[in-house]
Amino acid sequence: SYELTQPASVSVSPGQTARITCSGEALSKQYGYWYQKKPGQAPVLVIYRDRERPSGIPERFSGSSSGTTVTLTISGVQAEDESDYYCQSTDSSGPYQLFGGGTKLTVL
Amino acid sequence: DVQLVESGGVVVQPGGSLRLSCAASGFNFHDYAMHWVRQAPGKGLEWVSFINWDGSTTSYADSVQGRLTISRDNTKNYLFLEMRSLRIEDTALYYCAKAGGAGSFYEYYMDVWGKGTTVTVSS
Repeated sequence: SYELTQPASVSVSPGQTARITCSGEALSKQYGYWYQKKPGQAPVLVIYRDRERPSGIPERFSGSSSGTTVTLTISGVQAEDESDYYCQSTDSSGPYQLFGGGTKLTVL
Repeated sequence: DVQLVESGGVVVQPGGSLRLSCAASGFNFHDYAMHWVRQAPGKGLEWVSFINWDGSTTSYADSVQGRLTISRDNTKNYLFLEMRSLRIEDTALYYCAKAGGAGSFYEYYMDVWGKGTTVTVSS
């Protein structure tokens, strides 16, 4: 079965650019999606179809895809962006949904 | 406002059963596929189950296959998760989430989430 791999943690200073990667074979065939998850709150979709941004999500959030990796980029990071971020994709044999292990973004 | 509200989470003994509910409002529930996702204490998100708009297609994570059953009532705008043979490792906050797209053109991303309901499996 497929897996999605994310770095456990990423740290950046305010105003810098944060990049969070998500790798897995499923991503070569299926879209990647990204969620922001803060403690005590429900997840929020920030990127869908690899690079599309839902309405209401700030423009500093963007997504890209190359081969078996999708990347969430947060430009001009703000303190409020400190959160856990999860990628999701689909194992089309099921279809089963996969989540990456999550990346804790720390704003220094 | 588009809203999902989960209920039914309780403390239950190993081997027990319970049913979670998710009340949907603010959108045409019958047009959209739905998911259940859970998060165990201190762990990441784990997808649990999916159901398409009319209930004709369902899928489950291997960890719950054969023990959990997803269903929906499009006349009452409710999503359900029937849980049986519960294990300690099923302890988690359970979220329902609306899938993207509509009707036969559903997509698997989750664009609306409820606040979750807590299931604790303990003796």
